[in-house]
Amino acid sequence: EAQVTQNPRYLITVTGKKLTVTCSQNMNHEYMSWYRQDPGLGLRQIYYSMNVEVTDKGDVPEGYKVSRKEKRNFPLILESPSPNQTSLYFCASSFDGNTIYFGEGSWLTVV
Amino acid sequence: SQQGEEDPQALSIQEGENATMNCSYKTSINNLQWYRQNSGRGLVHLILIRSNEREKHSGRLRVTLDTSKKSSSLLITASRAADTASYFCATRTGNQFYFGTGTSLTVIP
Repeated sequence: EAQVTQNPRYLITVTGKKLTVTCSQNMNHEYMSWYRQDPGLGLRQIYYSMNVEVTDKGDVPEGYKVSRKEKRNFPLILESPSPNQTSLYFCASSFDGNTIYFGEGSWLTVV
Repeated sequence: SQQGEEDPQALSIQEGENATMNCSYKTSINNLQWYRQNSGRGLVHLILIRSNEREKHSGRLRVTLDTSKKSSSLLITASRAADTASYFCATRTGNQFYFGTGTSLTVIP
């Protein structure tokens, strides 16, 4: 089954404790991206990647890092999480840069 | 921000009625897409309309695009309770995607 898988789905962490949200897709898509969704603000793109070893900043990259060492994986790293990074995070991928396939989301709470 | 905006923010209709939601965006685009999100779940792609197209249909969905006004509308005909969800427009500019703030649709059985 074609899918984008992200883990963990739910996480409560403390300020400053580094965490990684993993993302994997099995569709051989070149384009992958991360979004955060906040009430009243819709989805905002954090980072995107056009292919292996190619990453670019989206609208809200501050406080986040990504890497794209393999085509299927695109982890999101929060080096020092802060409460304003409490959000619902989505990983997504696309074959042609048009239709986007989303993961089920990761609820992150930073206390 | 290049984010789009949907209008209305919330819409409540009876089953069988049509639902129309609008999207406005700010910059020139390659295409515009509409997505659906059930509460707390991932978004699901519904339909894409290219910048040189004016109207597109897919099943009960009809999308229009007016690039001169930088706006789009999504019409869902003969709505069903299962259509209850949030709907987002998304525009592509270069390699970036910009999502609107969404319209929350409730279809009352």
